[in-house]
Amino acid sequence: QVQLQESGPGLVKPSGTLSLTCAVSGDSITSDKWWSWVRQPPGKGLEWIGEIFHTGSTNYNPSLKSRVTISVDKSKNKFSLNLNSVTAADTAVYYCVSGIWGGSDWYFMDIWGKGTTVAVSS
Amino acid sequence: SSELTQDPAVSVALGQTVRITCQGDSLRNFYASWYQQKPGQAPTLVIYGHNYRPSGIPDRFSGSTSGDAASLTITGAQAEDEADYYCYSRDSSADRGIFGGGTRLSVL
Repeated sequence: QVQLQESGPGLVKPSGTLSLTCAVSGDSITSDKWWSWVRQPPGKGLEWIGEIFHTGSTNYNPSLKSRVTISVDKSKNKFSLNLNSVTAADTAVYYCVSGIWGGSDWYFMDIWGKGTTVAVSS
Repeated sequence: SSELTQDPAVSVALGQTVRITCQGDSLRNFYASWYQQKPGQAPTLVIYGHNYRPSGIPDRFSGSTSGDAASLTITGAQAEDEADYYCYSRDSSADRGIFGGGTRLSVL
């Protein structure tokens, strides 16, 4: 059974860097999946942050691209999110998610972590 | 356009059929996937690809696509289906994920 588990500080100061890690169990991070981060501000909808393939290939949301880095650690079967220059608008529940291209025209996110709440506040 | 539009709220009487829609140009090129989110929980996948359901998802959930719109249909809605539903697709270049704004389903 594949499981994803987010970890990281629950509180980050404004202008600081938000750093989260997602531990993957039950699957190899070198499998044919994309490893993603999605966030949800309080009372709002889901926002796709970005994704990484085990080769290191990444895609980012253009609205966050200048502040985001997603990386993978094959030796630890983990992937990470760094978001710098944070403000209160970055306060959200952050989910790590695995995604699959089922064909050339369909992609889906099959496994979600439980999510971790990050507040940006001084 | 790289956006997906959903109605903010929909209601359905218990046992009746409800359709939740998602509209966007990217749906002409990519199938939507659909996610159910109950309060305080992570989203879960309910429909993906060519109307596939993950193991454990009841067959009252189905999906369809026509032109620039995708639909999630619940045939015989149950009280436990009350939740937020999000569609997801890729932008036209396939290198960005896009979520719809979400639809809150109330089962009356």
